[in-house]
Amino acid sequence: KQEVTQIPAALSVPEGENLVLNCSFTDSAIYNLQWFRQDPGKGLTSLLLIQSSQREQTSGRLNASLDKSSGRSTLYIAASQPGDSATYLCAPATGKLIFGQGTTLQVKP
Amino acid sequence: GAVVSQHPSRVICKSGTSVKIECRSLDFQATTMFWYRQFPKQSLMLMATSNEGSKATYEQGVEKDKFLINHASLTLSTLTVTSAHPEDSSFYICSARASDRAWGNQPQHFGDGTRLSIL
Repeated sequence: KQEVTQIPAALSVPEGENLVLNCSFTDSAIYNLQWFRQDPGKGLTSLLLIQSSQREQTSGRLNASLDKSSGRSTLYIAASQPGDSATYLCAPATGKLIFGQGTTLQVKP
Repeated sequence: GAVVSQHPSRVICKSGTSVKIECRSLDFQATTMFWYRQFPKQSLMLMATSNEGSKATYEQGVEKDKFLINHASLTLSTLTVTSAHPEDSSFYICSARASDRAWGNQPQHFGDGTRLSIL
């Protein structure tokens, strides 16, 4: 059974900092891994999808890496902004997505 | 981009009422849709996988007679919470994956969720 752990659970940083969110998973037989953002009371917004054969994906200020053999992924956010404040969820996909508990990020102006 | 519409966004009703939630893929066909439940300050828990034209696959511990899922077309799946009680109050979110033989390459796209409150 896939288990997903995200560290840290919460993070508060001043605007402009670069930061790293960590995700680890127990079953490395995944097809891909997605990173999502969730704003309070809202649904999920897909940020990045990394195929199992890929090592990283980039979109704007976001960069996600994947080390499938060790069961780890990181999301790097460059030059953080207050609008980045949200909960970030990672979800490795076997036939279905299994979610971690998320990292709640607060970026202070 | 791929859009998933979920309706209604919020429901408040009395105990014993049955509530239907719709999930539509607006600009793509989705062979597979997923239903999740989220409690406050917790992550998403997969309830069931909905496949077009066949019975849904429920996760362990989810009552199939309580949470009825119908996926009658490639763009619509519905979740009906039957005889809802206060403990069914939660945030329900659906997602859809585009129909593609290489489905492992396809992201899941999520609706905005339905907040269900049973009085």
